[in-house]
Parts: sequence; C-alpha cells; structure tokens
Amino acid sequence: KAGVTQTPRYLIKTRGQQVTLSCSPISGHRSVSWYQQTPGQGLQFLFEYFSETQRNKGNFPGRFSGRQFSNSRSEMNVSTLELGDSALYLCASSLGDRGGETQYFGPGTRLLVL
Amino acid sequence: GESVGLHLPTLSVQEGDNSIINCAYSNSASDYFIWYKQESGKGPQFIIDIRSNMDKRQGQRVTVLLNKTVKHLSLQIAATQPGDSAVYFCAEILTDKLIFGTGTRLQVFP
Repeated sequence: KAGVTQTPRYLIKTRGQQVTLSCSPISGHRSVSWYQQTPGQGLQFLFEYFSETQRNKGNFPGRFSGRQFSNSRSEMNVSTLELGDSALYLCASSLGDRGGETQYFGPGTRLLVL
Repeated sequence: GESVGLHLPTLSVQEGDNSIINCAYSNSASDYFIWYKQESGKGPQFIIDIRSNMDKRQGQRVTVLLNKTVKHLSLQIAATQPGDSAVYFCAEILTDKLIFGTGTRLQVFP
C-alpha cells in the first residue's frame, strides 16, 4: 500500500497570504489528522477529520481550517499567514472506525513564512 | 534539514550497545501508547504500541515497557545501529487525541 502523501513538500509564503496544503491518506483509511511541528512547541494537534466531518480540534486560532472530501483526501488552509506559522505541517491517517488508533504520518509540508 | 526541536534531551550510545529512551506521560486515563521515530526531514514513523492492559511488548529489536503506577513508558532498542539515529517520541491516546511528548534525540556513534 502507498503511504500517506502530502503536497507540496516545501512552500514559501509572505505574511498576510493564505496557503492550502493537501494530504492523501493510506487507501482504506478514513481519518485524517493534522499536526504542526515547530522547534519551540514540538508536535501539536490541529484537527482530525472523519467521514468529511471535523471530529476533534486542537487549540489553534480560526485562521487554521480544514476539510475532508468523500475520497478521504484532506486539505488544510491557513489564512492571513504570520511569521510564527512557519513550521512542518504533518498529516496522519488511520482507519478511524473508533478513534484513538495508530496514526501513520506523511513526510510533511515545510512552510516558511517571510 | 532539522524538523524537530534544537533543545531536545539527547542520548548518545555506541553502535552495538542497547539504548533506553524514557517518557513520562501525563494522564492516568490514557489507555494506548505509541512510540514514533522521526528522522531528519521525514514524518514520524510508527515503531511499536502498547495498550494499558499490558506492561511489556516486544518487536524486532525493540521492547516497550509500561509502568502505569508512575506513568512511565520506555523504549529499549537492542544492538543499536547507526540507522537508529533519530528523534523518538512517545505518544498517548487521550479522548481520541494523540498527544506527543517532547522527544529524545538518539545519536549513535561508531
């Protein structure tokens, strides 16, 4: 099976712009979770989607949003980018049937905000 | 490039030695724990998991020990190899969320 894929792998934006990141889960996985990883804060949970609905949410401002499509692919959007949004954004997928399962990560999208 | 913190605790071991990486988790209600390995420039990779009804689980060259009394988790790597060099994270499942620890950097020297 192919693993979790994320596009793009690298992205450079400027403050005030918006960005959309994409994630394709492992085939058969219906849950997609997003994480932000920074040197200062480590791995922080953003949100989880299951069957096109947000099932869990972390403590990030409303500038961070996401959605999931019927094929389980997910996108994450960050509006009005700030310098502090520079990070590695990781997507993880799991079967999702009962929550709290092993998640498998993609390689991440490294976002740099200038 | 680096994808994790610059000030992580670091464990340095010689190739062939055994490594023990420790983790304290926060909530006694957590019932599922996972160890991940993250190499530079890559996403975390699943290594091994353990449920709270177990205190030990073995994989290939890795063993996870769970001590619920003191809320402590450890990962033992036998015969550590250069390819084991990475940052290791423990994670607990709490209310269907995966909560990561801060990570430990493992450096393997020849």
